[in-house]
Amino acid sequence: QQQVKQSPQSLIVQKGGISIINCAYENTAFDYFPWYQQFPGKGPALLIAIRPDVSEKKEGRFTISFNKSAKQFSLHIMDSQPGDSATYFCAASKSSNQFYFGTGTSLTVIP
Amino acid sequence: KAGVTQTPRYLIKTRGQQVTLSCSPISGHRSVSWYQQTPGQGLQFLFEYFSETQRNKGNFPGRFSGRQFSNSRSEMNVSTLELGDSALYLCASKNGGSTDTQYFGPGTRLTVL
Repeated sequence: QQQVKQSPQSLIVQKGGISIINCAYENTAFDYFPWYQQFPGKGPALLIAIRPDVSEKKEGRFTISFNKSAKQFSLHIMDSQPGDSATYFCAASKSSNQFYFGTGTSLTVIP
Repeated sequence: KAGVTQTPRYLIKTRGQQVTLSCSPISGHRSVSWYQQTPGQGLQFLFEYFSETQRNKGNFPGRFSGRQFSNSRSEMNVSTLELGDSALYLCASKNGGSTDTQYFGPGTRLTVL
């Protein structure tokens, strides 16, 4: 059973546009929601993370929006650049330290 | 600081064999987690070791096992390999708290023929 559901599977965005990736979870015990970025041949790298006591967190061009009642969170990439082309994973964790990942979104930013 | 290193980077095995993968965490990190990454399933949690003890375990069969040494280095073993075990195996290290940043290694690409 997939604990974290991610969509879309792939996304193509024009340079300068906004990329939006969505995730949904079921387990209300989750208390930490990170997003990871993975380039080919590399391991995932933490991009930005949020805890459920806030509804939004912004770091540069990357923003997480969190809706606790809907059990959904999303990643917004503003002013998308070709260098942002990568696979993005959302994840969720509870205090037991076990992380559950979404299935990933392949983002392509067209120059 | 050096990042997380994994050896070997690539492995080719045949069905029925066993394999051992190695992970060296970032210096000072005591937690090491292992993940299996496949195109269809994404990243799936195998297990986590903290201070030489398995702290968490995912839903994988007993053919998948691991251990951690006193220097925090970790090994993962898969016995009686199946075709479906072909995947990228990632390890990640962190200090140990629930919200500490996980740092991933580049992974070991295992192909089972």
